[in-house]
Amino acid sequence: DGGITQSPKYLFRKEGQNVTLSCEQNLNHDAMYWYRQDPGQGLRLIYYSQIVNDFQKGDIAEGYSVSREKKESFPLTVTSAQKNPTAFYLCASRSGYTDTQYFGPGTRLTVL
Amino acid sequence: QKEVEQNSGPLSVPEGAIASLNCTYSDRVSQSFFWYRQYSGKSPELIMSIYSNGDKEDGRFTAQLNKASQYVSLLIRDSQPSDSATYLCAVMQGDSSASKIIFGSGTRLSIRP
Repeated sequence: DGGITQSPKYLFRKEGQNVTLSCEQNLNHDAMYWYRQDPGQGLRLIYYSQIVNDFQKGDIAEGYSVSREKKESFPLTVTSAQKNPTAFYLCASRSGYTDTQYFGPGTRLTVL
Repeated sequence: QKEVEQNSGPLSVPEGAIASLNCTYSDRVSQSFFWYRQYSGKSPELIMSIYSNGDKEDGRFTAQLNKASQYVSLLIRDSQPSDSATYLCAVMQGDSSASKIIFGSGTRLSIRP
C-alpha cells in the first residue's frame, strides 16, 4: 500500500523528556510537513522540508526539531523546551505534480 | 487579517439539502486550492482540488473558485449524515521551490436527519 505512516498512534511523555515522532512515506514525494492541531483548532505548521537534508521553520517551530536524512523519512522531536506539547501531530507529504498534500493518521501526544 | 479565513460554524443543514461552505484568502498570487474533510479524532482527507476559475464537480461535491474575489467555496448536494465533519480550506503559497500550504481553521458542518 502506498501512503504515509506515523508512529506511535498515542504517546505519553513525562515533563522534561524529549520524544521523537516518526513519519514515513512511500509516495516518492519530495516535500514533507509537520503540523500541530489543538482541540477545536486548525492546523499550525511546525516544520517543512522540500528536499533531503534541507528544512525550514514553520509558524510554531520553537521547542521542536526535525531531520531529513532520507526522502522517505521526516521525524519530529518534541523537546523539553516545548512548554505545552499536548496536541495531535500530523505529518503530510506533497505531490510535486498536483501540489496536493496527503496526511498520515496522526500521533496524539499527551504530557503527564 | 488571517491568510485563509473560514466561518467556524457550526453550520447545520437538513439531510438532503445543499451545504455551502465558504473560504477567503489573502495572497493574490495563490494558484492551488484544496478542500479537506476531517472527522473528529482523525486526520484530514482530500475532497477536492481546484486550480482555475469556475466550477469543478466530483459526485455530490462542487468546488468554486473566483480568483478576482479571492474566494473559494464547496457545495455538497444531497447532504448525508456522514457528511457531518469539519471542512478545511487550504491554499498553496509560494513557488514550487519554497511552497507551503496554509489551512483555514475549518467549518464544522452538522447534517440533521
